[in-house]
Amino acid sequence: QVQLVESGGGLVKPGGSLRLSCAASGFTFSDFYMSWIRQAPGKGLEWVSKISSSGTTIYYADSVKGRFTISRDNAKNSLYLQMNSLRAEDTAVYYCAREAISGRFFDFWGQGTLVTVSS
Amino acid sequence: EIVLTQSPGTLSLSPGERATLSCRASQSVRNSYLAWYQQKPGQAPRLLIYGASSRATGIPDRFSGSGSGTDFILTISRLEPEDFAVYYCQQYGSSLTFGGGTKVEIK
Repeated sequence: QVQLVESGGGLVKPGGSLRLSCAASGFTFSDFYMSWIRQAPGKGLEWVSKISSSGTTIYYADSVKGRFTISRDNAKNSLYLQMNSLRAEDTAVYYCAREAISGRFFDFWGQGTLVTVSS
Repeated sequence: EIVLTQSPGTLSLSPGERATLSCRASQSVRNSYLAWYQQKPGQAPRLLIYGASSRATGIPDRFSGSGSGTDFILTISRLEPEDFAVYYCQQYGSSLTFGGGTKVEIK
């Protein structure tokens, strides 16, 4: 069965960096676009970044452009999010999600990892 | 950017009742590229509906989606205890945006 397991979250000071990972299993990872989506405490969902199946095409939300970098290693079935220059407003649960083959919606989600940016 | 407005913010209903959730877009959603998700406390969202009206794999038929253009509806025909949750719509016709959510709570 499809599994997505995020890791790497934690407490970091403003201006700091963190690298999130997402381990995928149960499907052919290299066939699918993947995204990071976040949810601030008590708030709604915000799409953060997306990467194509080969890793050659990448998109970012304006709120993270220039600070976050998405990448993937298809040999390791893994997705990453390098987060630099973190701000308090980046505090959220970060989900990795698989984009469906038939459209840009998300058919599987990981359980999320919490990132807290605070001094 | 297409803004999605969900209403009501909170819906208070009893098990067995019908739930009608609205998602209104600031401009027409191309090809009715709209999805609905369910999220329970402490859990990740789960895909319910895509393409405005297609049920995802394993989703009970009490969940149905309808609409086109700027107005979309998620209907839960008879609420089961496990259906009390927050529901989000998402459009993928132009970039990608989520609505603010509707909480369905037990009355």
